[in-house]
Amino acid sequence: EVQLVESGGGLVKPGGSLRLSCAVSGFTFSLYHMNWVRQAPGKGLEWVSSISSNNDYIYYTDSVKGRFTISRDNAKNSLYLQMNSLRAEDTAVYYCARALEPHNWFDPWGRGTLVTVSS
Amino acid sequence: QSVLTQPPSASGTPGQRVSISCSGSSSNIGSNFVYWYQQLPGTAPKVLIYRNNQRPSGVPDRFSGSKSGTSASLAISGLRSEDEADYYCAAWDDSLRGVVFGGGTKLTVL
Repeated sequence: EVQLVESGGGLVKPGGSLRLSCAVSGFTFSLYHMNWVRQAPGKGLEWVSSISSNNDYIYYTDSVKGRFTISRDNAKNSLYLQMNSLRAEDTAVYYCARALEPHNWFDPWGRGTLVTVSS
Repeated sequence: QSVLTQPPSASGTPGQRVSISCSGSSSNIGSNFVYWYQQLPGTAPKVLIYRNNQRPSGVPDRFSGSKSGTSASLAISGLRSEDEADYYCAAWDDSLRGVVFGGGTKLTVL
Protein backbone atom coordinates (compact mmCIF):
# COMPACT_ATOMS: atom_id res chain seq x y z
CA GLU A 1 0.00 0.00 0.00
CA VAL A 2 1.33 3.44 -0.93
CA GLN A 3 1.68 5.61 2.18
CA LEU A 4 2.97 9.07 2.95
CA VAL A 5 3.26 10.11 6.59
CA GLU A 6 4.20 13.67 7.55
CA SER A 7 5.71 14.64 10.87
CA GLY A 8 7.49 17.55 12.50
CA GLY A 9 4.66 20.05 12.79
CA GLY A 10 3.95 22.00 15.93
CA LEU A 11 3.79 25.42 17.54
CA VAL A 12 6.65 27.80 16.80
CA LYS A 13 7.19 31.51 17.43
CA PRO A 14 7.44 34.02 14.56
CA GLY A 15 10.98 34.02 13.23
CA GLY A 16 11.53 30.44 14.36
CA SER A 17 12.36 27.31 12.39
CA LEU A 18 10.83 23.90 11.88
CA ARG A 19 11.74 20.86 9.80
CA LEU A 20 8.98 18.74 8.34
CA SER A 21 9.52 15.16 7.26
CA CYS A 22 7.50 12.87 5.01
CA ALA A 23 8.20 9.16 5.24
CA VAL A 24 7.00 7.16 2.28
CA SER A 25 6.45 3.47 1.67
CA GLY A 26 4.84 1.19 -0.87
CA PHE A 27 6.52 2.59 -3.98
CA THR A 28 9.98 3.33 -5.41
CA PHE A 29 10.49 6.78 -3.94
CA SER A 30 13.55 7.60 -6.05
CA LEU A 31 11.51 7.52 -9.27
CA TYR A 32 9.02 10.24 -8.41
CA HIS A 33 8.87 14.00 -8.12
CA MET A 34 7.56 15.06 -4.70
CA ASN A 35 5.72 18.12 -3.47
CA TRP A 36 4.63 20.05 -0.41
CA VAL A 37 1.18 21.65 -0.48
CA ARG A 38 -0.30 23.61 2.42
CA GLN A 39 -3.75 24.65 3.56
CA ALA A 40 -4.28 27.50 6.00
CA PRO A 41 -7.17 27.00 8.45
CA GLY A 42 -10.46 27.32 6.60
CA LYS A 43 -8.68 28.24 3.36
CA GLY A 44 -7.84 26.63 0.04
CA LEU A 45 -4.88 24.64 -1.16
CA GLU A 46 -1.55 26.35 -1.89
CA TRP A 47 1.35 24.60 -3.57
CA VAL A 48 4.60 25.27 -1.69
CA SER A 49 7.47 23.44 -3.34
CA SER A 50 8.47 20.56 -5.57
CA ILE A 51 11.61 18.51 -6.08
CA SER A 52 12.43 16.20 -8.96
CA SER A 53 13.31 12.55 -8.48
CA ASN A 54 17.07 13.14 -8.60
CA ASN A 55 17.18 16.72 -7.25
CA ASP A 56 17.73 18.23 -10.71
CA TYR A 57 14.76 20.57 -10.44
CA ILE A 58 13.50 22.41 -7.38
CA TYR A 59 10.73 25.01 -7.38
CA TYR A 60 9.15 27.20 -4.70
CA THR A 61 6.15 29.46 -4.50
CA ASP A 62 7.27 33.09 -4.26
CA SER A 63 6.14 33.61 -0.67
CA VAL A 64 8.58 31.01 0.71
CA LYS A 65 11.60 31.57 -1.53
CA GLY A 66 14.71 32.21 0.55
CA ARG A 67 13.04 30.89 3.71
CA PHE A 68 12.06 27.28 2.93
CA THR A 69 14.27 24.51 1.57
CA ILE A 70 12.95 21.26 0.13
CA SER A 71 15.17 18.19 0.09
CA ARG A 72 14.96 14.44 -0.14
CA ASP A 73 16.94 11.37 0.89
CA ASN A 74 16.22 8.60 -1.58
CA ALA A 75 18.09 6.10 0.55
CA LYS A 76 15.79 6.82 3.48
CA ASN A 77 12.59 7.17 1.41
CA SER A 78 12.06 10.57 2.95
CA LEU A 79 11.11 14.08 1.88
CA TYR A 80 11.88 17.16 3.96
CA LEU A 81 10.92 20.79 4.23
CA GLN A 82 13.19 23.06 6.26
CA MET A 83 11.23 26.16 7.21
CA ASN A 84 13.09 29.21 8.54
CA SER A 85 12.01 32.74 9.42
CA LEU A 86 8.47 31.52 9.94
CA ARG A 87 5.60 33.99 9.81
CA ALA A 88 2.03 33.88 11.06
CA GLU A 89 0.85 33.45 7.49
CA ASP A 90 2.77 30.17 7.24
CA THR A 91 0.28 28.63 9.69
CA ALA A 92 -1.29 25.72 7.84
CA VAL A 93 -1.61 21.99 7.48
CA TYR A 94 1.31 20.86 5.34
CA TYR A 95 0.73 17.89 3.03
CA CYS A 96 3.33 15.96 1.14
CA ALA A 97 2.21 14.49 -2.15
CA ARG A 98 3.71 12.25 -4.77
CA ALA A 99 3.54 13.62 -8.33
CA LEU A 100 2.69 11.07 -10.99
CA GLU A 101 3.77 13.63 -13.60
CA PRO A 102 6.57 16.17 -13.19
CA HIS A 103 4.34 19.10 -12.39
CA ASN A 104 1.05 17.73 -11.12
CA TRP A 105 -1.21 14.71 -10.71
CA PHE A 106 -0.66 14.60 -6.97
CA ASP A 107 -1.52 11.09 -5.83
CA PRO A 108 -1.55 10.15 -3.09
CA TRP A 109 -1.40 12.79 -0.42
CA GLY A 110 -0.34 12.32 3.18
CA ARG A 111 -2.69 13.18 6.03
CA GLY A 112 -0.81 16.38 6.75
CA THR A 113 0.95 17.93 9.71
CA LEU A 114 -0.16 21.17 11.36
CA VAL A 115 2.26 24.06 11.68
CA THR A 116 1.17 26.94 13.91
CA VAL A 117 3.22 30.12 13.98
CA SER A 118 2.20 32.24 16.94
CA SER A 119 3.75 34.11 19.84
CA GLN B 1 -6.46 35.99 -4.72
CA SER B 2 -5.89 32.68 -6.54
CA VAL B 3 -4.33 32.54 -10.00
CA LEU B 4 -7.11 30.18 -11.14
CA THR B 5 -10.66 31.43 -10.58
CA GLN B 6 -13.43 29.15 -9.35
CA PRO B 7 -16.88 29.99 -8.01
CA PRO B 8 -16.77 29.76 -4.20
CA SER B 9 -19.89 27.61 -4.04
CA ALA B 10 -22.15 25.36 -6.06
CA SER B 11 -25.18 23.29 -5.18
CA GLY B 12 -27.58 20.74 -6.55
CA THR B 13 -30.13 18.16 -5.55
CA PRO B 14 -29.55 14.40 -5.67
CA GLY B 15 -29.55 13.11 -9.23
CA GLN B 16 -28.85 16.52 -10.78
CA ARG B 17 -25.88 17.48 -12.90
CA VAL B 18 -23.65 20.30 -11.67
CA SER B 19 -20.68 21.96 -13.29
CA ILE B 20 -17.77 23.83 -11.69
CA SER B 21 -15.74 26.25 -13.77
CA CYS B 22 -12.05 27.12 -13.53
CA SER B 23 -10.68 30.13 -15.37
CA GLY B 24 -7.01 30.82 -15.96
CA SER B 25 -4.69 32.30 -18.53
CA SER B 26 -2.39 31.40 -21.39
CA SER B 27 0.49 30.66 -19.03
CA ASN B 28 -1.37 28.01 -17.06
CA ILE B 29 -4.57 26.39 -18.36
CA GLY B 30 -3.92 27.68 -21.86
CA SER B 31 -0.67 25.74 -22.19
CA ASN B 32 -0.76 22.96 -19.61
CA PHE B 33 -2.94 20.14 -18.37
CA VAL B 34 -5.67 20.77 -15.80
CA TYR B 35 -6.17 18.58 -12.75
CA TRP B 36 -9.12 18.39 -10.37
CA TYR B 37 -8.95 17.42 -6.71
CA GLN B 38 -11.74 16.55 -4.30
CA GLN B 39 -11.39 17.21 -0.58
CA LEU B 40 -13.99 15.60 1.62
CA PRO B 41 -14.51 17.23 5.03
CA GLY B 42 -11.60 16.58 7.37
CA THR B 43 -9.56 14.59 4.87
CA ALA B 44 -6.63 15.07 2.53
CA PRO B 45 -7.34 15.92 -1.12
CA LYS B 46 -7.69 13.19 -3.71
CA VAL B 47 -7.22 13.43 -7.48
CA LEU B 48 -10.45 13.23 -9.49
CA ILE B 49 -9.33 14.21 -12.99
CA TYR B 50 -5.89 14.32 -14.57
CA ARG B 51 -4.70 15.63 -17.94
CA ASN B 52 -7.90 17.68 -18.45
CA ASN B 53 -10.36 14.81 -18.79
CA GLN B 54 -8.86 11.51 -17.62
CA ARG B 55 -10.23 9.64 -14.62
CA PRO B 56 -7.94 7.58 -12.37
CA SER B 57 -9.13 4.06 -11.70
CA GLY B 58 -11.68 4.03 -8.93
CA VAL B 59 -13.19 7.43 -9.75
CA PRO B 60 -16.81 7.00 -10.89
CA ASP B 61 -17.66 7.99 -14.46
CA ARG B 62 -20.16 10.46 -13.01
CA PHE B 63 -17.16 12.79 -12.82
CA SER B 64 -15.87 14.32 -16.05
CA GLY B 65 -13.49 17.10 -16.99
CA SER B 66 -13.10 19.31 -20.01
CA LYS B 67 -10.89 22.17 -21.15
CA SER B 68 -11.26 24.85 -23.77
CA GLY B 69 -8.70 27.60 -24.26
CA THR B 70 -7.91 29.12 -20.88
CA SER B 71 -10.88 27.60 -19.04
CA ALA B 72 -11.76 24.21 -17.70
CA SER B 73 -14.73 22.65 -16.02
CA LEU B 74 -15.62 19.70 -13.85
CA ALA B 75 -19.03 18.11 -14.29
CA ILE B 76 -20.70 15.80 -11.82
CA SER B 77 -23.77 13.94 -13.01
CA GLY B 78 -26.19 11.92 -10.90
CA LEU B 79 -25.29 13.98 -7.86
CA ARG B 80 -25.05 12.05 -4.59
CA SER B 81 -24.86 13.18 -0.98
CA GLU B 82 -21.32 11.81 -0.68
CA ASP B 83 -20.19 14.26 -3.39
CA GLU B 84 -20.50 17.09 -0.87
CA ALA B 85 -16.92 18.34 -0.69
CA ASP B 86 -14.52 21.07 -1.76
CA TYR B 87 -13.25 20.86 -5.34
CA TYR B 88 -10.02 22.42 -6.60
CA CYS B 89 -8.59 22.85 -10.08
CA ALA B 90 -4.84 23.04 -10.59
CA ALA B 91 -2.33 23.56 -13.37
CA TRP B 92 1.35 24.30 -13.89
CA ASP B 93 2.05 27.96 -14.61
CA ASP B 94 4.90 28.57 -17.07
CA SER B 95 5.39 32.19 -15.96
CA LEU B 96 5.35 31.57 -12.21
CA ARG B 97 7.28 28.29 -12.57
CA GLY B 98 4.99 26.60 -10.11
CA VAL B 99 1.68 24.81 -9.60
CA VAL B 100 -1.33 27.08 -9.18
CA PHE B 101 -4.61 26.08 -7.58
CA GLY B 102 -8.05 27.56 -7.86
CA GLY B 103 -9.57 28.99 -4.69
CA GLY B 104 -11.85 25.98 -4.36
CA THR B 105 -15.57 25.41 -4.80
CA LYS B 106 -17.68 24.12 -1.94
CA LEU B 107 -20.32 21.78 -3.33
CA THR B 108 -23.50 21.38 -1.31
CA VAL B 109 -25.97 18.61 -2.04
CA LEU B 110 -29.37 19.93 -1.02
